[in-house]
Amino acid sequence: GENVEQHPSTLSVQEGDSAVIKCTYSDSASNYFPWYKQELGKGPQLIIDIRSNVGEKKDQRIAVTLNKTAKHFSLHITETQPEDSAVYFCAATSYNAGNMLTFGGGTRLMVKP
Amino acid sequence: DAGITQSPRHKVTETGTPVTLRCHQTENHRYMYWYRQDPGHGLRLIHYSYGVKDTDKGEVSDGYSVSRSKTEDFLLTLESATSSQTSVYFCAISESVGGYNQPQHFGDGTRLSIL
Repeated sequence: GENVEQHPSTLSVQEGDSAVIKCTYSDSASNYFPWYKQELGKGPQLIIDIRSNVGEKKDQRIAVTLNKTAKHFSLHITETQPEDSAVYFCAATSYNAGNMLTFGGGTRLMVKP
Repeated sequence: DAGITQSPRHKVTETGTPVTLRCHQTENHRYMYWYRQDPGHGLRLIHYSYGVKDTDKGEVSDGYSVSRSKTEDFLLTLESATSSQTSVYFCAISESVGGYNQPQHFGDGTRLSIL
């Protein structure tokens, strides 16, 4: 089955700096890659997703890149703000997997004011 | 936010007792999922449902059963709870549009402690 590795497990940045979180996946059939943000006491919230037919997607300060050949995808947050502090999860699935997501282990992002 | 309500939000119970967690959605989505979240393991799929009375196992299904008698409700049951099932449980829902994976949206979780 699919295996998703996520790095780093913790990331501390200064407000205004950029943050990058990286994930690798094992199943070459995976074709859908969502990213979730989880705040304390809340459920994961979808912030951006990418499908395998595109290499990059942006939404304001957030972007995701996908390298299918290397089987890795990354989340980029620019101009970080204290409210970006949270745990971020990447995930992967394929249509053949029935939309069952396999998650990475999470990255705790801390943005220092 | 997606209309997902999990109940109870917190529960403490003893080893060997049965426990049922409920997920209720108002979005009329076809797919519903149960995950558990543990430190160091991220989120792992327990069971999922692709329609009324249609369910299947996920990665960590041992010790859990599910039922879905109505589109809006998906129940997770621990027949005889064990301490290893202490965790935070999340329900998620997604639409079904042929040929494409659809985003999953999560509830706010149930924190379950088994003593």
